[in-house]
Amino acid sequence: DAMVIQNPRYQVTQFGKPVTLSCSQTLNHNVMYWYQQKSSQAPKLLFHYYDKDFNNEADTPDNFQSRRPNTSFCFLDIRSPGLGDAAMYLCATSRAPSGANYEQYFGPGTRLTVT
Amino acid sequence: AQSVAQPEDQVNVAEGNPLTVKCTYSVSGNPYLFWYVQYPNRGLQFLLKYITGDNLVKGSYGFEAEFNKSQTSFHLKKPSALVSDSALYFCAVRDDNQGGKLIFGQGTELSVKP
Repeated sequence: DAMVIQNPRYQVTQFGKPVTLSCSQTLNHNVMYWYQQKSSQAPKLLFHYYDKDFNNEADTPDNFQSRRPNTSFCFLDIRSPGLGDAAMYLCATSRAPSGANYEQYFGPGTRLTVT
Repeated sequence: AQSVAQPEDQVNVAEGNPLTVKCTYSVSGNPYLFWYVQYPNRGLQFLLKYITGDNLVKGSYGFEAEFNKSQTSFHLKKPSALVSDSALYFCAVRDDNQGGKLIFGQGTELSVKP
C-alpha cells in the first residue's frame, strides 16, 4: 500500500544535541509538509517543500531546518533541541499545494523527547 | 486570515447514540474544509472533506459532515456511535494561498461509553 512512513516512531535526544527525523513516501506526491504537535494542541505547520522549493513558515524558529534530497524523502533537522521542542512531529504529503481534490496524507508521527 | 474553531474540548456520547462534533470556520473566499481523526500516539487520518457541491459530505467509517454556509459551520456527525470512535477529532481549513497548509481547530476529544 502507498503510504507515508516516519522513522523513528520515538526519539529521545539530549538538550542541545542535534537530531534528525525522517519521512518517506510511496505516493509520489509533489508536496511534503512538516507539522509540530505539542501535547494537547493542534498540529502547526513548520515548513513544506513543493518539489524542490522550500517554504518556511514565518514563525518557525531557525533551529529547525529541512532537507528534501529526492521526491520520496524529507528530513527534519533540529540543530540544538530545547526542552520546548519536545513534541510529536508529523509528516504529510499532498499531490499539489492547492486544488480541489487534494487532501494531505499523514504519517504516524515521531514523538520527540528532549532530556 | 483563515481559521476554524471547535467550541467543545470534549464530547461524551453513549454507544449507539448519534454524535455531533462541532466546527465553525472563518475564511475569505471558498472554504476547503476537512475532518481528521487522531488516535493516541498516532498520526492524523483523513475522514472527509468539503470542497464544493452537496452540503452533506459522506466520509470514512460512517461519518458525515454538513456544510452550512449561512452559519459558517461544518459539523461532523455519525448516526450511531461506536466505542472505537473514541479519539481526538480535528477540523481544518486548507489555505491555498499559503501552500495548501492546513489550519487546525484545537481538537475535540470524543468519548463513547458502552
